[in-house]
Amino acid sequence: DTGVSQNPRHKITKRGQNVTFRCDPISEHNRLYWYRQTLGQGPEFLTYFQNEAQLEKSRLLSDRFSAERPKGSFSTLEIQRTEQGDSAMYLCASSLDQGLPETQYFGPGTRLLVL
Amino acid sequence: GDSVTQMEGPVTLSEEAFLTINCTYTATGYPSLFWYVQYPGEGLQLLLKATKADDKGSNKGFEATYRKETTSFHLEKGSVQVSDSAVYFCALRQPDNTDKLIFGTGTRLQVFP
Repeated sequence: DTGVSQNPRHKITKRGQNVTFRCDPISEHNRLYWYRQTLGQGPEFLTYFQNEAQLEKSRLLSDRFSAERPKGSFSTLEIQRTEQGDSAMYLCASSLDQGLPETQYFGPGTRLLVL
Repeated sequence: GDSVTQMEGPVTLSEEAFLTINCTYTATGYPSLFWYVQYPGEGLQLLLKATKADDKGSNKGFEATYRKETTSFHLEKGSVQVSDSAVYFCALRQPDNTDKLIFGTGTRLQVFP
């Protein structure tokens, strides 16, 4: 399967713990996006990378959130000191930027439950 | 700011019925418009898109026309199947450097045989 993959698919944690999610984009896609989707809502943009550079962060991304894409390939999203309000589906998407807007391909998501 | 509004679901239809899911948007300039579909247990998939006014996107029997005068991008299908049961998201993207998508809240479609 050459689509976007995310791990883990599910994560249950206790409030105050740290969690880290991984996203592997489609090979050679230079753009990578993170979105958050809460129950009954559409996905909301969190941040995006062009290669290894993080170029924009949403106001939704508090100081407890950090994202990296160290070699311009896979990306990680870490949430420190999790809160119950962090419970959501975290989606990753990738696209190939060739100077024109391109389709974003989404992974299956990581569902986080904070108890 | 930019936003997308979708009709609330669930939309419940019998197989072979006609489907319309309404979507309107608020945005400056000339955004691109999309419909994504999320089948149970799967990730979001692009269903169709339109990049300028009066464009019609189509795929798998679904259609939507970019109407700038009414700021709408309604999704239609002439004859739905049970396999079309899913959540449908309307989204827009501004032609800026980010290319981030702004989604509506989604509309669940349930098709019964």
